[in-house]
Amino acid sequence: NAGVTQTPKFQVLKTGQSMTLQCAQDMNHEYMSWYRQDPGMGLRLIHYSVGAGITDQGEVPNGYNVSRSTTEDFPLRLLSAAPSQTSVYFCASNRRSGTDTQYFGPGTRLTVL
Amino acid sequence: GQQVMQIPQYQHVQEGEDFTTYCNSSTTLSNIQWYKQRPGGHPVFLIQLVKSGEVKKQKRLTFQFGEAKKNSSLHITATQTTDVGTYFCAGPPFKDYGQNFVFGPGTRLSVLP
Repeated sequence: NAGVTQTPKFQVLKTGQSMTLQCAQDMNHEYMSWYRQDPGMGLRLIHYSVGAGITDQGEVPNGYNVSRSTTEDFPLRLLSAAPSQTSVYFCASNRRSGTDTQYFGPGTRLTVL
Repeated sequence: GQQVMQIPQYQHVQEGEDFTTYCNSSTTLSNIQWYKQRPGGHPVFLIQLVKSGEVKKQKRLTFQFGEAKKNSSLHITATQTTDVGTYFCAGPPFKDYGQNFVFGPGTRLSVLP
């Protein structure tokens, strides 16, 4: 199993550009999440999904959209990139509820100029 | 909303010294998880504690969950250079079994050889 994969690993955007961060998992996990990690801030939840077709907002959802059309994929869309979105983005999945181990992808380092 | 705090933010130790990080939640947790993130890497699950007062050991690592289920600690005995990284605690609020993990800001450990 590849586990949780993310693409791209690095990305530089200009302010106002849009892009999609890809996340896929091959463990048949129902739950998937997106986090951003900023220095000294830990991991903050952006959006999450409890199954195909079901998504919800986390702590810092503004400026991001998600959808979950399949169990395997959970893309994160930046609608109009801003410098404040410069961060490292991690996708994670787990088998069921908030009592279960989360498996993280390798991350995407995004810089917005 | 729920907040999870960790202290200290940074810890520098000499190889062979002990290390402890503390995690405190503003609300009762149904469970608490600990993750380790090596520099440049992604968070990796270490352990989950569920019961009030629970203590678990993994070789040189000892994890405790407080009696009130609002705090936890991670203790490393005789640190090694391989222990370098940031240690995060995380947990969902009590009775919230949705995908709503809240992570602490982490404790960054450096070990001097």
